[in-house]
Amino acid sequence: NAGVMQNPRHLVRRRGQEARLRCSPMKGHSHVYWYRQLPEEGLKFMVYLQKENIIDESGMPKERFSAEFPKEGPSILRIQQVVRGDSAAYFCASSPEANYGYTFGSGTRLTVV
Amino acid sequence: QKEVEQDPGPLSVPEGAIVSLNCTYSNSAFQYFMWYRQYSRKGPELLMYTYSSGNKEDGRFTAQVDKSSKYISLFIRDSQPSDSATYLCAMSTKGTDSNYQLIWGAGTKLIIKP
Repeated sequence: NAGVMQNPRHLVRRRGQEARLRCSPMKGHSHVYWYRQLPEEGLKFMVYLQKENIIDESGMPKERFSAEFPKEGPSILRIQQVVRGDSAAYFCASSPEANYGYTFGSGTRLTVV
Repeated sequence: QKEVEQDPGPLSVPEGAIVSLNCTYSNSAFQYFMWYRQYSRKGPELLMYTYSSGNKEDGRFTAQVDKSSKYISLFIRDSQPSDSATYLCAMSTKGTDSNYQLIWGAGTKLIIKP
């Protein structure tokens, strides 16, 4: 079992470009959660998805950010027109049931230059 | 004021020492308390999960919750160099139906010196 796979591990984008972060949940897990971690701060919940459904996006900025978890393929967190403040580590977690047994990936570190 | 306060450290102790890590919080509605360990360049992994006040022990780890003081602790006995990591506390007001909406501490970096 490969665990939760996130790619890329590191992503550098210029201001105004788009960033696409991918998360493949553990085998058998159909619940995916995205979090953002800023330096010297704890994790902040962004969005919770199940296959083809957004369950809770209350932690995600209304503009420029979107997330999807299609029937086939990984979950994608998309950030359009990135700004320097978007620089952070973005973690994905998955679980076999809602709100139980989370396993985190190793994260994608986004740097906006 | 942050909802959850955690000293970022670093906390450096010799191998074999007892380690005490702590978080304070301001929201008296928090009922579920967790400790996560995060190694460098890795995601957090759940260590301990407690509900309400009291102690919970798992091997070398003991989690303690004092709701009257709004204070939680994680104790590590017989600390090992492999325990060197960042330890994050997290807590929630909600039950298992919304545990993903945790409020996290910033994490304490722990260094165990051989």
